[in-house]
Amino acid sequence: NAGVTQTPKFQVLKTGQSMTLQCAQDMNHEYMSWYRQDPGMGLRLIHYSVGAGITDQGEVPNGYNVSRSTTEDFPLRLLSAAPSQTSVYFCASSYNGYEQYFGPGTRLTVT
Amino acid sequence: GEDVEQSLFLSVREGDSSVINCTYTDSSSTYLYWYKQEPGAGLQLLTYIFSNMDMKQDQRLTVLLNKKDKHLSLRIADTQTGDSAIYFCAVNSGYSTLTFGKGTMLLVSP
Repeated sequence: NAGVTQTPKFQVLKTGQSMTLQCAQDMNHEYMSWYRQDPGMGLRLIHYSVGAGITDQGEVPNGYNVSRSTTEDFPLRLLSAAPSQTSVYFCASSYNGYEQYFGPGTRLTVT
Repeated sequence: GEDVEQSLFLSVREGDSSVINCTYTDSSSTYLYWYKQEPGAGLQLLTYIFSNMDMKQDQRLTVLLNKKDKHLSLRIADTQTGDSAIYFCAVNSGYSTLTFGKGTMLLVSP
């Protein structure tokens, strides 16, 4: 198993650009989540999904969209990037909703 | 909402024990976790404890839970330089979601 994979590893965007951060898992986990990590802030939940077709907002959802059309994939879309979205983004998956396993992260810089 | 607090920094000598502490506010949290993050890497699930347990031991790691005081600790025995990392306390804040502390940076000197 590859576990949780995220692409790209690094990305630089200009303000106003859009992009999609990819997350995939090959463990047939129903639960997937997106977190962002900022210095001194720990990790904060952006969006999560409890199964294909079902998504919900976390603590900091503004400026981000998600969809879950398959069990394997959970992409995070930035509609119009802002410097405040400069962060490291982590995707996580879980088979039971409790034990969460994290991907390697995507480091995003918005200029 | 849930709040998770941890001290920001701990420095120990190689071979000593390290104790990292965490407090949380939501007494309904069912699972409590410790994650490790090395520089430039993702989060590694180290261990977790159910809320109906007081202690869990896993090789060099011991987790203690005091539910009355909402206090969680992680003890690392015989700390090695390879244990230097940031350690995050986290609690489940709803089904399938976690609330994290800000992380404790552990520095192990030879």
